[in-house]
Amino acid sequence: DAKTTQPNSMESNEEEPVHLPCNHSTISGTDYIHWYRQLPSQGPEYVIHGLTSNVNNRMASLAIAEDRKSSTLILHRATLRDAAVYYCILFNAGGTSYGKLTFGQGTILTVHP
Amino acid sequence: KAGVTQTPRYLIKTRGQQVTLSCSPISGHRSVSWYQQTPGQGLQFLFEYFSETQRNKGNFPGRFSGRQFSNSRSEMNVSTLELGDSALYLCASAPISPNTGELFFGEGSRLTVL
Repeated sequence: DAKTTQPNSMESNEEEPVHLPCNHSTISGTDYIHWYRQLPSQGPEYVIHGLTSNVNNRMASLAIAEDRKSSTLILHRATLRDAAVYYCILFNAGGTSYGKLTFGQGTILTVHP
Repeated sequence: KAGVTQTPRYLIKTRGQQVTLSCSPISGHRSVSWYQQTPGQGLQFLFEYFSETQRNKGNFPGRFSGRQFSNSRSEMNVSTLELGDSALYLCASAPISPNTGELFFGEGSRLTVL
């Protein structure tokens, strides 16, 4: 499985934008970039995913570098409810990776009021 | 739309016993995956079922097994429990075209082995 590298932790203030980086230099052409987050005492929650183009949804935006070796999850206005562990995951939809997401250690996001 | 439901939410067992955990996927979802989460190893993939067939398996010993029923509900079983099996067990479901990487997780079953 291709590997991702994320900072161990980041901090933000409420109402400010947050940019969570992820490096994935060994990404293959069929790897999708997924972001999940896990709030305390809950299961992981899907946030967003993309392949080559930037993506937006109601929760966040995903900016993908042109060479696809890095990406950034953008939370436009952080709230206290966004405090969670954020996981950047590469998923090979072209293989036999049915149901298998390879979680790393993720980034612990702390949001200050 | 109801989410993924896991039962029981908490349970305590002793070494050597076995345990069965249950997962009801989101209505219409036919793929069910299981994960183990521990502080030391993080989230690790156990196995995935689709239409009652195991299609993918992680690197866990044979004491960990699962099955899926015709209504897509799934169970996982751990036999001969060890202290190291104490963990949060998470179930996730995915729609009929499951291989997108978008999984919907339940809140988990927290197992404590004494």
